Amino acid sequence: AQSVTQPDIHITVSEGASLELRCNYSYGATPYLFWYVQSPGQGLQLLLKYFSGDTLVQGIKGFEAEFKRSQSSFNLRKPSVHWSDAAEYFCAVGITGNQFYFGTGTSLTVIP
Amino acid sequence: DAGVTQSPTHLIKTRGQHVTLRCSPISGHKSVSWYQQVLGQGPQFIFQYYEKEERGRGNFPDRFSARQFPNYSSELNVNALLLGDSALYLCASSLVTGGLQPQHFGDGTRLSIL
Repeated sequence: AQSVTQPDIHITVSEGASLELRCNYSYGATPYLFWYVQSPGQGLQLLLKYFSGDTLVQGIKGFEAEFKRSQSSFNLRKPSVHWSDAAEYFCAVGITGNQFYFGTGTSLTVIP
Repeated sequence: DAGVTQSPTHLIKTRGQHVTLRCSPISGHKSVSWYQQVLGQGPQFIFQYYEKEERGRGNFPDRFSARQFPNYSSELNVNALLLGDSALYLCASSLVTGGLQPQHFGDGTRLSIL
């Protein structure tokens, strides 16, 4: 069965510091992988997606993610965090039929 | 262009009642999916509709049903509400079905059951 694990429930970083959010997936076929961000009381906004090809994908707001098949991981990174990046981040696997399976999320706090 | 719109934004019901949530997809999008997001959790897949047909169903009881209309808007219905149905219900649309298509989410309907 497919599943997504985000091992870090909550992360705190200083503004300007680098960020890495972890995501591991379990899926028998080639995964379609996504990162979404959710601000309080709002829906999810797509940050980036991986379908195939180059394993390093660039997204909006300066985010990037790297797909590592050998580790079943799709970690999200940002070189310099801004206070406005504070939010909930969700990793998701998309499977045939447009069904998405989400992780439990990582809450990001940015301190000045 | 307008994004995915959901109505109402907030709703309070009591146990045993019925609720209908509505979703209008992005213009041109033919696929609509519904998700339940319990506080502190990630969204859980409920249904996916494409061209008015159900194309996927998550692990939810039969109290949950949905339909899609000719204009591609959708309704999610929940009968015999339980306290555990309190959640944010998210609608997402995409151009077509298939895992290649990112989903665009609305801001959700916050359902509270008393």
